[in-house]
Amino acid sequence: KAGVTQTPRYLIKTRGQQVTLSCSPISGHRSVSWYQQTPGQGLQFLFEYFSETQRNKGNFPGRFSGRQFSNSRSEMNVSTLELGDSALYLCASSLWVSRFYTEAFFGQGTRLTVV
Amino acid sequence: GENVEQHPSTLSVQEGDSAVIKCTYSDSASNYFPWYKQELGKRPQLIIDIRSNVGEKKDQRIAVTLNKTAKHFSLHITETQPEDSAVYFCAASIGDQGAQKLVFGQGTRLTINP
Repeated sequence: KAGVTQTPRYLIKTRGQQVTLSCSPISGHRSVSWYQQTPGQGLQFLFEYFSETQRNKGNFPGRFSGRQFSNSRSEMNVSTLELGDSALYLCASSLWVSRFYTEAFFGQGTRLTVV
Repeated sequence: GENVEQHPSTLSVQEGDSAVIKCTYSDSASNYFPWYKQELGKRPQLIIDIRSNVGEKKDQRIAVTLNKTAKHFSLHITETQPEDSAVYFCAASIGDQGAQKLVFGQGTRLTINP
């Protein structure tokens, strides 16, 4: 069974530009979450999607947005990039069973560098 | 609140000794507590998890304990080996059951000295 796939693996962007990252979850998983990982801040929750609906959002500015498609693939978009957006962006998929949280499987991440 | 505090931030132990990492959470409704291990340059991977209806869970050299009253949970690694060196993250589910999210601690860098 294929794992969580994120593309691209690496990105270099200039301040002010926008970027779109993609995440393909494990087949059958309908929940996709996004995290920002930086050396000083650990794993910060961005948002979570389930069946194309955003169920939860973290404390990030509106420049960070996302969406989920009917096949559960998800994208996140960052507009007007700032130097501080440089980070590893991880997505995780999980099989939401009833109302119980199940294991979240992480992708390899997309390393975004803003110059 | 939605905080998960993790301590220590770095931990160095001799091979064969035990390592303990502690986390506290603020949401009394939290009911799922996973621990992830992240090796250098790799993705976080689940090593053990516990739900709020259980006080302790063990898997070979790894165990997790949960104290719901005090809102803290701990990871115990016994007979540590060099391959245990990594960053470990605790997490707690936060929010309503229908829309929970995982909030992670800041991570503990564990170094096993041969």
